[in-house]
Amino acid sequence: QLALTQSPSASASLGASVNVTCTLSSGHSTYAIAWHQQQPEKGPRFLMKLKSDGTYTKGGGIPDRFSGSSSGAERYLTISRLQSEDEADYYCQTWGAGLQGVFGGGTKVTVL
Amino acid sequence: QVQLQESGPGLVTPSETLSLTCTISGDSISITNWWSWVRQAPGKGLEWIGEVYHNGNTNYSPSLKSRVTISADTSRNQFSLRLTSVTAADTAVYYCARGDAEFDSWGPGTLVIVSS
Repeated sequence: QLALTQSPSASASLGASVNVTCTLSSGHSTYAIAWHQQQPEKGPRFLMKLKSDGTYTKGGGIPDRFSGSSSGAERYLTISRLQSEDEADYYCQTWGAGLQGVFGGGTKVTVL
Repeated sequence: QVQLQESGPGLVTPSETLSLTCTISGDSISITNWWSWVRQAPGKGLEWIGEVYHNGNTNYSPSLKSRVTISADTSRNQFSLRLTSVTAADTAVYYCARGDAEFDSWGPGTLVIVSS
């Protein structure tokens, strides 16, 4: 069954980099995903679509500090030069087999 | 730039029907894309409810399929959600979103509380 797994939390210091990982379920390692940011008390915001070959397409206005990469069934979101406004929940999303919105459980990023 | 806006009652009585509408601006529901409803219970993650195409085709989450109807109104450039027989477990912020695959635009969300 198509599913996504995320670690519950990640943290890094102001100005440093942090990686957020999303793992696709067995048999689905070629699937693309999307990354969404949800700041406190706000709705989700589309960050990027990330393919299995590591290429990604960002949404409008998303800073260069946000990038993506892939390895096997793992999909990564890297936030460089962390800023206070990057403290948020980050969700990965995939689709397929008639299910449009398959979400990971979310990763809370804390800026130390 | 597309904008989505959810609207509807913020309080629904248990066992009744929840009804919400998403109004689209900056895009046409008739041209392309599937349009979805997603919800988020307090302190929880995102849960996809279902989607509609402008011709009326739909897909629903298996866990909610028996209670959900999503429809499109091309004349008003809107799409709607109906969720029947609600309980406290349906209390959540409800979002509408655009996307054939990835959700590239989201509404700000509307809180619906199920309570008597």
